[in-house]
Amino acid sequence: EAPLVESGGDLVQPGGSLRLSCVASGFTVSDQYMHWVRQAPGKGLEWVSVINIEGTTYYADFVRGRFTISRDISKNTLSLQMNSLRADDSGVYYCVRGKGFITRFWGQGTLVTVSS
Amino acid sequence: DIVMTQSPDSLAVSLGERATINCKSSQSLLSSSDNRNYFGWYQQKPGQPPKLLIYWASTRESGVPDRFSGSGSGTDFTLTISSLQAEDVALYYCQQYYSAPLTFGGGTKMEIK
Repeated sequence: EAPLVESGGDLVQPGGSLRLSCVASGFTVSDQYMHWVRQAPGKGLEWVSVINIEGTTYYADFVRGRFTISRDISKNTLSLQMNSLRADDSGVYYCVRGKGFITRFWGQGTLVTVSS
Repeated sequence: DIVMTQSPDSLAVSLGERATINCKSSQSLLSSSDNRNYFGWYQQKPGQPPKLLIYWASTRESGVPDRFSGSGSGTDFTLTISSLQAEDVALYYCQQYYSAPLTFGGGTKMEIK
């Protein structure tokens, strides 16, 4: 199981922006489906976005137009650019290596807090 | 969007006894093209990320103990733990990956009676 290490989580004000990163080791991010899944404190799991091998992206309705998933092959990194952040975007964001749409291997997560 | 409804919300079972969690989807997850159910189960322990237990409704992930089994097809699915162990105390989630957006059930908290 190749590790995934997320970073970039922070405290940000409502309306602000944040960029999350996920460095992959042991495999190439462009050879896999790569997902972001989030979990608000004490709540359940919410799928956020995926980028497939061809580079096609999909988003949950609640982030479409605000969040952008991307990958950097040279750095073997997955990213999530988050704009117009709201309080209900707070939570742990997990980077997940997919077997297609199956969210198979999960990173440890990075905490995003949106608060004034 | 496909809605996933899990039951019960919490479950207390004695050590060594059978535990069963149910999940119902708002539409069929059975693909006519490959006859597979696009459905999985996850386990999450406190302070840890979720771990994939079961995919294609009944295929156990590598390393998952065989006391965990998945069954069901179409819209109704079940996770069974045949003999509950202390280390199985966790939250369990179902998920559909039939179509984006992927969606999860609300979770079931498994406890020892």
